[in-house]
Amino acid sequence: QKEVEQNSGPLSVPEGAIASLNCTYSDRGSQSFFWYRQYSGKSPELIMSIYSNGDKEDGRFTAQLNKASQYVSLLIRDSQPSDSATYLCAVNRNYGQNFVFGPGTRLSVLP
Amino acid sequence: DTEVTQTPKHLVMGMTNKKSLKCEQHMGHRAMYWYKQKAKKPPELMFVYSYEKLSINESVPSRFSPECPNSSLLNLHLHALQPEDSALYLCASSLAGVGGDEQFFGPGTRLTVL
Repeated sequence: QKEVEQNSGPLSVPEGAIASLNCTYSDRGSQSFFWYRQYSGKSPELIMSIYSNGDKEDGRFTAQLNKASQYVSLLIRDSQPSDSATYLCAVNRNYGQNFVFGPGTRLSVLP
Repeated sequence: DTEVTQTPKHLVMGMTNKKSLKCEQHMGHRAMYWYKQKAKKPPELMFVYSYEKLSINESVPSRFSPECPNSSLLNLHLHALQPEDSALYLCASSLAGVGGDEQFFGPGTRLTVL
């Protein structure tokens, strides 16, 4: 079992819709979770971090964490074509500053 | 200043060359990282420096040699690389300590080994 898994996509949604991105992780001791957006040819950009069970909202983005189910999700409301990118889920292993990234989900928002 | 800078943006080198990648941040972060990213793959952690000490080396070949001269600078020295080492090399930094996990990435150096 891979440490961090994501649906590889591509995930296509129409403009204005809600995009839902999912991530599962295997290490129960993981404490912190992150979503990054990466445009083609660019470096990853931090969108959200979440540390506690429940929802965390920032503008059009909502991160959801369920540690019992080892599941993290990212919802993007009112999706825009500029949201088209690869979304990377990252999990901090429970020893030090040691990220492991999921394979990424490619999102395409259609005008 | 809220960014991580990397130089050069692009680098082409032969298998016998020696070159260095540089990374700088002025956010007061005390942890710095090197990642390697191949096309259509996620970043893979190579090295972690925490408070200027190497804390993690993910079994990286010795032809990659990291150096952290001070809390703001991180170098990656390259020697006798192979064509399969061609990739985007990313530097990142984080605050470190409790609640300081968020990593911020530089723009990367695209390396081509001929």
